[in-house]
Amino acid sequence: EAQVTQNPRYLITVTGKKLTVTCSQNMNHEYMSWYRQDPGLGLRQIYYSMNVEVTDKGDVPEGYKVSRKEKRNFPLILESPSPNQTSLYFCASSFTGVGQPQHFGDGTRLSIL
Amino acid sequence: AQSVTQLDSQVPVFEEAPVELRCNYSSSVSVYLFWYVQYPNQGLQLLLKYLSGSTLVKGINGFEAEFNKSQTSFHLRKPSVHISDTAEYFCAVSKGSSNTGKLIFGQGTTLQVKP
Repeated sequence: EAQVTQNPRYLITVTGKKLTVTCSQNMNHEYMSWYRQDPGLGLRQIYYSMNVEVTDKGDVPEGYKVSRKEKRNFPLILESPSPNQTSLYFCASSFTGVGQPQHFGDGTRLSIL
Repeated sequence: AQSVTQLDSQVPVFEEAPVELRCNYSSSVSVYLFWYVQYPNQGLQLLLKYLSGSTLVKGINGFEAEFNKSQTSFHLRKPSVHISDTAEYFCAVSKGSSNTGKLIFGQGTTLQVKP
């Protein structure tokens, strides 16, 4: 089954404790992206990757890191999480970019205390 | 810079009535436009997209949207809604290039279909 898998689905943690949210897709997609969703703000793009070893900033990259060492994986790293990063996070992928339909994961709800 | 404005945060409508969800964008370059739907506790799903060609775009579940360049709008319509259409709808815009990766979403419109 074609899917984008995010882990964990839920996480409560404390300020400053490094965390990683993993994202994996099994569709051989070149493009992957991370978004955060906040009430009243819609989705905002954090980082995206057009292919392996190619990443670029979205609209709200501050406080986040990403890497794309393999085609299927695109982890989101919060080196020193802060309460303003409490949000619902989505990973998405598509064949070549946003012009193709993006497949979204089920989301990761992060709470930073 | 590109931006997207969804003009209504909530749209209540009765079942079988028509609905229009409004979206305006700003951009100094050619654009791709999208509508995504998010059902409760799920990720987003593409409803339809405009890349080029005909300005009237048909999508899944009976939805359609019209690209109006002069009014910089991309409103979503459905002639008769069902209870199952209750969801949050997002309009999004990107630069009109085949290999673009950046996507800007609107704030979302909650469609509430009442029996």
